[in-house]
Amino acid sequence: GAVVSQHPSRVICKSGTSVKIECRSLDFQATTMFWYRQFPKQSLMLMATSNEGSKATYEQGVEKDKFLINHASLTLSTLTVTSAHPEDSSFYICSASRTGNTGELFFGEGSRLTVL
Amino acid sequence: AQSVTQLGSHVSVSEGALVLLRCNYSSSVPPYLFWYVQYPNQGLQLLLKYTSAATLVKGINGFEAEFKKSETSFHLTKPSAHMSDAAEYFCAVYTGGFKTIFGAGTRLFVKA
Repeated sequence: GAVVSQHPSRVICKSGTSVKIECRSLDFQATTMFWYRQFPKQSLMLMATSNEGSKATYEQGVEKDKFLINHASLTLSTLTVTSAHPEDSSFYICSASRTGNTGELFFGEGSRLTVL
Repeated sequence: AQSVTQLGSHVSVSEGALVLLRCNYSSSVPPYLFWYVQYPNQGLQLLLKYTSAATLVKGINGFEAEFKKSETSFHLTKPSAHMSDAAEYFCAVYTGGFKTIFGAGTRLFVKA
């Protein structure tokens, strides 16, 4: 149990376009979801924390208008990279925690974004 | 403040040799500790977790870790490395408030 699915796994887009990445908890209700960005050979950088039905909490230095996060249901959170530029190219990963949170996180497969 | 330090960004072992990946943490409250593994171009997968029960924790794929409060350590071990163990390993600490702190990661290389 506790499967998180992330889609798409890879996306290539032109500079200036917007890209949406979906994160779904398939067999549990995710009270909280997290979005990370991972640069090559580095650890995960937390971008934002989202709770169902409320605004996401962004980490310092993360542009809210650039990275739009929506958590419309207990099983779906989306990250939209607006007006993408080549410097937004990265590996984006989502994770989710369950009710009765013990700190264990369930991760999606990750999405590789390449902006041309 | 909570923090996690993974000693050694790269560890190389021969197939069949002992794997030891080091993790030290800093926390002002009793922590929950985790080891996650990441294969190339994939998300993270839980290897094992310590949540204040037994101090020696067994995980998947033959890995285990021991929580040592006096040393503030949670080192990951496996008696015999396999080629398929080659991956990036992350130690993480959780102390509540939906905030998990990840270490910088250790890349494990396994030589044939």
